[in-house]
Amino acid sequence: GEDVEQSLFLSVREGDSSVINCTYTDSSSTYLYWYKQEPGAGLQLLTYIFSNMDMKQDQRLTVLLNKKDKHLSLRIADTQTGDSAIYFCAESITDSWGKLQFGAGTQVVVTP
Amino acid sequence: DAMVIQNPRYQVTQFGKPVTLSCSQTLNHNVMYWYQQKSSQAPKLLFHYYDKDFNNEADTPDNFQSRRPNTSFCFLDIRSPGLGDAAMYLCATSRDLGLSLAGTDTQYFGPGTRLTVL
Repeated sequence: GEDVEQSLFLSVREGDSSVINCTYTDSSSTYLYWYKQEPGAGLQLLTYIFSNMDMKQDQRLTVLLNKKDKHLSLRIADTQTGDSAIYFCAESITDSWGKLQFGAGTQVVVTP
Repeated sequence: DAMVIQNPRYQVTQFGKPVTLSCSQTLNHNVMYWYQQKSSQAPKLLFHYYDKDFNNEADTPDNFQSRRPNTSFCFLDIRSPGLGDAAMYLCATSRDLGLSLAGTDTQYFGPGTRLTVL
């Protein structure tokens, strides 16, 4: 079955860059997503990338997609304490009407 | 402006006592989803509605039901909550399903309802 894998934890100093990695399985996924979840809250869509793109930049966020290796990453520049949250990678499963397959989430802790 | 609204944000119920969670949307999206998320886990899809068409995931327990009386509202009914049903319940919407390349299947989530079962 499909599986999306992420590292579970990342600690980063305020002002540094964070890089969160994800590997996915459906080579025909059309879109890949990054969601942010703060404690006790719902999922906030951060950004997404179409599968024919290698990179997408949106202010402090940079998404890199390596389709050959099925590897997706999210880089957060100048990480702030407000970036502390759980980040979920998700792929849209083409054979299943676009159902989202989520990773387990990466908890990012930003230290002063 | 809130686009996907869930009420209540916190719900406490007793073991076995039916409970209903509510979701509404101002996006006029065709698709509405219900997810269950337990602590430190990824969200798990329970079911979705495409317009009035209901689609249940194969492993969703019969204890969970849903209603969508109109485009804007969708309800999650838990007929006999057990202790294992304590979780965050997330509602999401998308304009369409992922059957095109237009990106119209992007899902937008509400803030969630935290359900406690005593």
